[in-house]
Amino acid sequence: EAQVTQNPRYLITVTGKKLTVTCSQNMNHEYMSWYRQDPGLGLRQIYYSMNVEVTDKGDVPEGYKVSRKEKRNFPLILESPSPNQTSLYFCASSPGLAGYEQYFGPGTRLTVT
Amino acid sequence: QKEVEQNSGPLSVPEGAIASLNCTYSDRGSQSFFWYRQYSGKSPELIMFIYSNGDKEDGRFTAQLNKASQYVSLLIRDSQPSDSATYLCAVTYNTDKLIFGTGTRLQVFP
Repeated sequence: EAQVTQNPRYLITVTGKKLTVTCSQNMNHEYMSWYRQDPGLGLRQIYYSMNVEVTDKGDVPEGYKVSRKEKRNFPLILESPSPNQTSLYFCASSPGLAGYEQYFGPGTRLTVT
Repeated sequence: QKEVEQNSGPLSVPEGAIASLNCTYSDRGSQSFFWYRQYSGKSPELIMFIYSNGDKEDGRFTAQLNKASQYVSLLIRDSQPSDSATYLCAVTYNTDKLIFGTGTRLQVFP
């Protein structure tokens, strides 16, 4: 089954404790991205990747890191999480960007206390 | 700053009516336009996309694009309670940026 998977689905952590949210797709897609979704603010792009070893900042990259060492994986790293990073996070992939459907993962609900 | 704007709603329509959702965007260089549906607690899923001025129909859904006025709309005919969700408008800029609006919540009541 073609899909985007994210882990964990739910995470409660404390300020400053490094964490990684994994994202994997099995569709051989070139483009992958991370979004956060907050009430009233919609979906905002954190980072995106056009291909392996190619990543770039989205609109809200502060406090996040990413890597794209393999085509299928695009982990999101929070080196020192803070409460303002409490949010719902989505990973997405697509064959390209313009004109292509974004396939979203199921989401990761993160709470930082 | 590229912007995509939507009325947050809720937009309430009776079952069987036409729901009209609107979206405006700030950059005339925008190339492609998408409508996603998101049920509460779920991930967004694509409803339709459109590139060219005019209308595009798919079943009960019609997307309308007017590049001169910089707006895109989604019409849902014969609205059903199962259409109740948040509808997200998304616009691509250049070849690597996708900007989402904040979404319009639609409520279809029996």
